Amino acid sequence: QKEVEQNSGPLSVPEGAIASLNCTYSDRVSQSFFWYRQYSGKSPELIMSIYSNGDKEDGRFTAQLNKASQYVSLLIRDSQPSDSATYLCAVNGWNAGNMLTFGGGTRLMVKP
Amino acid sequence: EAQVTQNPRYLITVTGKKLTVTCSQNMNHEYMSWYRQDPGLGLRQIYYSMNVEVTDKGDVPEGYKVSRKEKRNFPLILESPSPNQTSLYFCASSSDRGGYEQYFGPGTRLTVT
Repeated sequence: QKEVEQNSGPLSVPEGAIASLNCTYSDRVSQSFFWYRQYSGKSPELIMSIYSNGDKEDGRFTAQLNKASQYVSLLIRDSQPSDSATYLCAVNGWNAGNMLTFGGGTRLMVKP
Repeated sequence: EAQVTQNPRYLITVTGKKLTVTCSQNMNHEYMSWYRQDPGLGLRQIYYSMNVEVTDKGDVPEGYKVSRKEKRNFPLILESPSPNQTSLYFCASSSDRGGYEQYFGPGTRLTVT
């Protein structure tokens, strides 16, 4: 069983729509959660971090965390073609020491 | 400019020929780590370091060595590369010893024939 799971996609949304990306994790004591964006051929870029239950907003991005259900999501409002990329969910927990465990990523395609 | 740099960016080598991929950060970060990224397997952590002279294994350490003699540098060493180490490698660093909010270098694409 993978520790961090994401739907590989592709998730296709029209320009201007809300893109919703989901991630589930298996380690109940996970503490910190991150979303990275990775364009094809480039390195992952940190876009959001969330540490407590609830929502965290940053511009067009909102991260949502529900520790009881062990999922974290990323909403992208007013999606733009430039948002087309692979989004990686990453989790850091006590059981993992100081390691970051990544999901396989969801490929997002925003169509003009 | 705050950044993580890796060298070389591209490397083609032969089985068994020792190689080193360098990683350097100019942000005075405590934490540094190495990952490999493979299609279908995602990003997997190889080694990490929480401070100078402190290193620990990640998920896939076999076949790799690291050292942390200076805070800014964290080289990845392949003593005897094999074709299954053909991959895209990323170095990352974080200001937090726990490895939160890691920032990635540009990547090194390694091919072992």
